[in-house]
Amino acid sequence: DIQMTQSPSSLSASVGDRVTVTCRASQGISNYLAWYQQKPGQVPKLLIYAASTLQSGVPSRFSGSGSGTDFTLTISSLRPEDVATYYCQKYNSAPPYTFGQGTKLEIK
Amino acid sequence: EVLLVESGGGLVQPGGSLRLSCAASGFTFSSYAMSWVRQAPGKGLEWVSAISESGDSTYYADSVKGRFTISRDSSKNTMYLQMNSLRAEDTAVYFCAKKDGYNKPFDYWGQGTLVTVSS
Repeated sequence: DIQMTQSPSSLSASVGDRVTVTCRASQGISNYLAWYQQKPGQVPKLLIYAASTLQSGVPSRFSGSGSGTDFTLTISSLRPEDVATYYCQKYNSAPPYTFGQGTKLEIK
Repeated sequence: EVLLVESGGGLVQPGGSLRLSCAASGFTFSSYAMSWVRQAPGKGLEWVSAISESGDSTYYADSVKGRFTISRDSSKNTMYLQMNSLRAEDTAVYFCAKKDGYNKPFDYWGQGTLVTVSS
């Protein structure tokens, strides 16, 4: 099975900072990569799919890139409401639809 | 409006059984594959099981294979997860999630139901 590895596992940044989270697949998954945001006590929310397509309603400060095995989630200018844990997930073809272990983002 | 509502969670002893339900509304249930995803307390997301649009194909994580059974009833717009031989490590919030189509991600999630396996 394909493994998904995120880094870092936690991150502390200041409001206005540019923040980058990476996700690596153990095998190529083309661009079948999604990013989810889970705020404390809430349900996961789809942010980005097809590696770089923003889900409707998601602020434009979020962006995604990558293809094959290496992917990134970028927040161009961090805001307090972005405090959350971020997960990548591969969803190509048949299951398992493996998630990364998560990146917990906090405000410095 | 798409709604997914889980039920059936609770406290169960190790070795026991529980059946979770996910009631769906706001979309054509029979046209979309569905999944169960769980989250142990303070831990990350773990995909558990998936079922195809028709119910003919089912998939399981290695951690639950042989113990859990996923099913769906399109006449009731409901998906189920029968959980047998439960272990302490199955303790988690269980979410149902709708897949947005073939080679598409999960676009809607339920609020989750807590399963606690403890004596």
